[in-house]
Amino acid sequence: QKEVEQNSGPLSVPEGAIASLNCTYSDRGSQSFFWYRQYSGKSPELIMSIYSNGDKEDGRFTAQLNKASQYVSLLIRDSQPSDSATYLCALPYGQNFVFGPGTRLSVLP
Amino acid sequence: AAGVIQSPRHLIKEKRETATLKCYPIPRHDTVYWYQQGPGQDPQFLISFYEKMQSDKGSIPDRFSAQQFSDYHSELNMSSLELGDSALYFCASSSRTGRSYEQYFGPGTRLTVT
Repeated sequence: QKEVEQNSGPLSVPEGAIASLNCTYSDRGSQSFFWYRQYSGKSPELIMSIYSNGDKEDGRFTAQLNKASQYVSLLIRDSQPSDSATYLCALPYGQNFVFGPGTRLSVLP
Repeated sequence: AAGVIQSPRHLIKEKRETATLKCYPIPRHDTVYWYQQGPGQDPQFLISFYEKMQSDKGSIPDRFSAQQFSDYHSELNMSSLELGDSALYFCASSSRTGRSYEQYFGPGTRLTVT
């Protein structure tokens, strides 16, 4: 069973700051990593996928992957109140996904 | 772009009743996944289908069954409902071409068992 851990929340940051979300995983063989955003009562929305070591940037989001250290992080620059949500890290496990427990982010105006 | 469609969006049932949830994947996606999410919990994988065959099974109760049809839509059948079955049920779909395992989620069905 793969294990996926995320930094415990809730995480509160002021508007305009950088939010840093971390995820560690147990299986060294993992090759694909995904970040989902989920607003309360809504479905998870895929916001980033990363497959190679290093950084991947998409707008205000940057995913960072370090396979040697078995962690993947998500940075949100210029955080906005609309970024307030739960962020889920996910890895493929067999033919499905294993989700981390999620980190709740609150961006304070 | 077309997304995953789920119906109904809300469902209220009484204990011991049955419920059927439907999922229509993104066109050309060959894999469908079902998840259950209770309040404050992360999504728990129930079952998945690839090309109309069950491909993986998670924590799906024996009271639940599912199938994928020739048009790739899937149905989750839930019998002898219990209060603890009240949750959000998500369907997700993906395409297994290439190395991408990206799953795209539908809006979910909120099931309330009274």
